Amino acid sequence: DAGVIQSPRHEVTEMGQEVTLRCKPISGHNSLFWYRQTMMRGLELLIYFNNNVPIDDSGMPEDRFSAKMPNASFSTLKIQPSEPRDSAVYFCASSALYGYTFGSGTRLTVV
Amino acid sequence: SQQGEEDPQALSIQEGENATMNCSYKTSINNLQWYRQNSGRGLVHLILIRSNEREKHSGRLRVTLDTSKKSSSLLITASRAADTASYFCATDGGRDDKIIFGKGTRLHILP
Repeated sequence: DAGVIQSPRHEVTEMGQEVTLRCKPISGHNSLFWYRQTMMRGLELLIYFNNNVPIDDSGMPEDRFSAKMPNASFSTLKIQPSEPRDSAVYFCASSALYGYTFGSGTRLTVV
Repeated sequence: SQQGEEDPQALSIQEGENATMNCSYKTSINNLQWYRQNSGRGLVHLILIRSNEREKHSGRLRVTLDTSKKSSSLLITASRAADTASYFCATDGGRDDKIIFGKGTRLHILP
């Protein structure tokens, strides 16, 4: 198993541009999580899905952020328009029962 | 809301020594997990301890849980250079799949 796959690994974009982050969870895992990590705020849970359905999006910072999971093997996190304060590492993780498997993350820099 | 809080924030020890990290949390839990994060990488699940367990071992790792004090500790015995990483505790809210991470302890093993 290739694990949780995220793309791109790095993204540099200009303020105001749309950014789309992608995640492929481990096959058979029914829960998927998006986290954001910064030095100041640590790891923040943005949203999570169970069986492709969004369960809790209370961590999504504002309406500029949206996430979808159209099927069990793919999820996206979109930021539109992006701002410099969105710069962070974004992690996707999937889980079956206990213990999360994390992807390698997408390092986003908004200039 | 942040659930787990690790202590200390940073720890430097000599190779071969034991490293102890602590985690305190605020609300009831079903289980508590410890993760490791190497620089620039995703988090890796180390060990899970359930609320009805008091101690668990995995290789050089020993985890304890005291639900009366709402605290846990992670002990790494005979530390190695490869143990240099950040270590996070994560707790569930007792009701659903999501877990909340603390800000982590940065462990540095000195040669």
